[in-house]
Amino acid sequence: GAGVSQSPSNKVTEKGKDVELRCDPISGHTALYWYRQSLGQGLEFLIYFQGNSAPDKSGLPSDRFSAERTGGSVSTLTIQRTQQEDSAVYLCASSQEWRGGRETQYFGPGTRLLVL
Amino acid sequence: SQQGEEDPQALSIQEGENATMNCSYKTSINNLQWYRQNSGRGLVHLILIRSNEREKHSGRLRVTLDTSKKSSSLLITASRAADTASYFCATDAGNTGGFKTIFGAGTRLFVKA
Repeated sequence: GAGVSQSPSNKVTEKGKDVELRCDPISGHTALYWYRQSLGQGLEFLIYFQGNSAPDKSGLPSDRFSAERTGGSVSTLTIQRTQQEDSAVYLCASSQEWRGGRETQYFGPGTRLLVL
Repeated sequence: SQQGEEDPQALSIQEGENATMNCSYKTSINNLQWYRQNSGRGLVHLILIRSNEREKHSGRLRVTLDTSKKSSSLLITASRAADTASYFCATDAGNTGGFKTIFGAGTRLFVKA
């Protein structure tokens, strides 16, 4: 079956522009996560969606970042007025459901964002 | 700093040798997982150990967990060049931390053929 897919694979944008990153989770997975990974660093949690519950947005670094999940499936991460420090790989993951940390997260290949 | 901190940051070994990576965390957890990442892209889940477990095996992988020291180790035995990757530990945020999964900065393993 299909895994988690993300688009675009790579995005180059100019400082100040808005970007949208897309994530298609594995069909049937109710939990969806967004992470950011800067070069050579670990993953930084951004936001978590679980079914129809209110998302956990506690990791979003600023109000320029927002995310939506439509119909409990596809998610879009939007970065407004991009800054150079937003350059990173943005990873999406999905899991069947949140199980208090026991869930296995399945990761997409990521979107590499470069802000010039 | 992040909940999970791995050490060493980088490790270079010969094929056939064992590789040991350590992870420390700060708050109480319910579970700890190890993931592998190739070439800076998506992560692949390797193994999960629960807070009431002390050791777990999966193939050439052995994970230990010491909740009193808030630390875990990942041992890869008889390493292969294909094991070259970055390895991350990940923890939940405990009973009061919500839905976060917290990843460490990772250990970059290089296995020389």
